[in-house]
Amino acid sequence: EAGVAQSPRYKIIEKRQSVAFWCNPISGHATLYWYQQILGQGPKLLIQFQNNGVVDDSQLPKDRFSAERLKGVDSTLKIQPAKLEDSAVYLCASSPKTGGETQYFGPGTRLLVL
Amino acid sequence: DQQVKQNSPSLSVQEGRISILNCDYTNSMFDYFLWYKKYPAEGPTFLISISSIKDKNEDGRFTVFLNKSAKHLSLHIVPSQPGDSAVYFCAASVTGNMLTFGGGTRLMVKP
Repeated sequence: EAGVAQSPRYKIIEKRQSVAFWCNPISGHATLYWYQQILGQGPKLLIQFQNNGVVDDSQLPKDRFSAERLKGVDSTLKIQPAKLEDSAVYLCASSPKTGGETQYFGPGTRLLVL
Repeated sequence: DQQVKQNSPSLSVQEGRISILNCDYTNSMFDYFLWYKKYPAEGPTFLISISSIKDKNEDGRFTVFLNKSAKHLSLHIVPSQPGDSAVYFCAASVTGNMLTFGGGTRLMVKP
């Protein structure tokens, strides 16, 4: 069974530029999560989708971050415009149902904002 | 407000000995707890979990203990192997809701 796929693996941009990350969850997993992991910290949830609907986006900085999960499968996370403090690893995870059961993570996208 | 804390940023143990990683939480509503392992340049990998109705769960060399009154959980690895060297995250949730992660503990197992 294929795991969670993410691309790109690395991205370097200048502040005020835009960037987008892509995630393909494990086949059949209804729930998809985007996390931000700043160096030295644990992952912090940005947004949770159940199929193509948003379950929780309370920690998403909506003035610059947006995410969508069209058709309830793949998802994209966008930052526009990027700030220096957005430098982090962006992790995508999926789980079969919803809530706090075991989540399966992708390898992450490491973003550096200069 | 850090609801899940891992107070030891790093831990070094000798191969074959026991590794004990600790995690404290503040939210008494948490009822499901997990441990994840993370290697460099990879995403976290699920290791073991425990529900609040239990106080111990074992899977091979890995055992998780939950002390609800102290709001404390620990992960025991016996015996420790060099391949166990990684960053370990504990996470907690109220069932049906999001996971809250601790800051991680870097475990180094020396041959």
